[in-house]
Amino acid sequence: KAGVTQTPRYLIKTRGQQVTLSCSPISGHRSVSWYQQTPGQGLQFLFEYFSETQRNKGNFPGRFSGRQFSNSRSEMNVSTLELGDSALYLCASVAGQGNYGYTFGSGTRLTVV
Amino acid sequence: LAKTTQPISMDSYEGQEVNITCSHNNIATNDYITWYQQFPSQGPRFIIQGYKTKVTNEVASLFIPADRKSSTLSLPRVSLSDTAVYYCLVGEGFQKLVFGTGTRLLVSP
Repeated sequence: KAGVTQTPRYLIKTRGQQVTLSCSPISGHRSVSWYQQTPGQGLQFLFEYFSETQRNKGNFPGRFSGRQFSNSRSEMNVSTLELGDSALYLCASVAGQGNYGYTFGSGTRLTVV
Repeated sequence: LAKTTQPISMDSYEGQEVNITCSHNNIATNDYITWYQQFPSQGPRFIIQGYKTKVTNEVASLFIPADRKSSTLSLPRVSLSDTAVYYCLVGEGFQKLVFGTGTRLLVSP
């Protein structure tokens, strides 16, 4: 079956712009999470959605937001981009309660210039 | 969420068995132990998960002592392609994964 698909794979944006990243989870997976990975901070949790509801949020400013659609696809948005937002953004999905094995996508590499 | 401690890096040679130990002194009763593998510019890949004693799958074994305050990921006969970062995670839920710094494993010929 298809894995977690993230688009686009690479993105270059200018400071002050906004960006939207997309994630299609594995079919049947209802929970989608987003993570930011940077060399300095490592892998950090952004937020998690289940059935279109945000259930958990990491310690990121309000410029970072997300949503989940009825088909479980998810998007995350970063507004007013800063240089420090340059990172690999990873999406992960899991079937639901009782299944702890997340499947991650290959990520979107965002570069802010 | 229990904090985990792993060695920052490990070196090995092809064909050897590699054991990576993770310390999690504050593990809670309902917490599971999960290991992920990550290659550069890719998302982490689930390797194995366990609650107690020993778990084995086609790629690795996970050893958990009775007190559950540590765990050991065992990779049998590593190859060059096992060079990656390995993360140990501890938690009960699936809503949020807390990654530590991981262990960077380098396998040499």
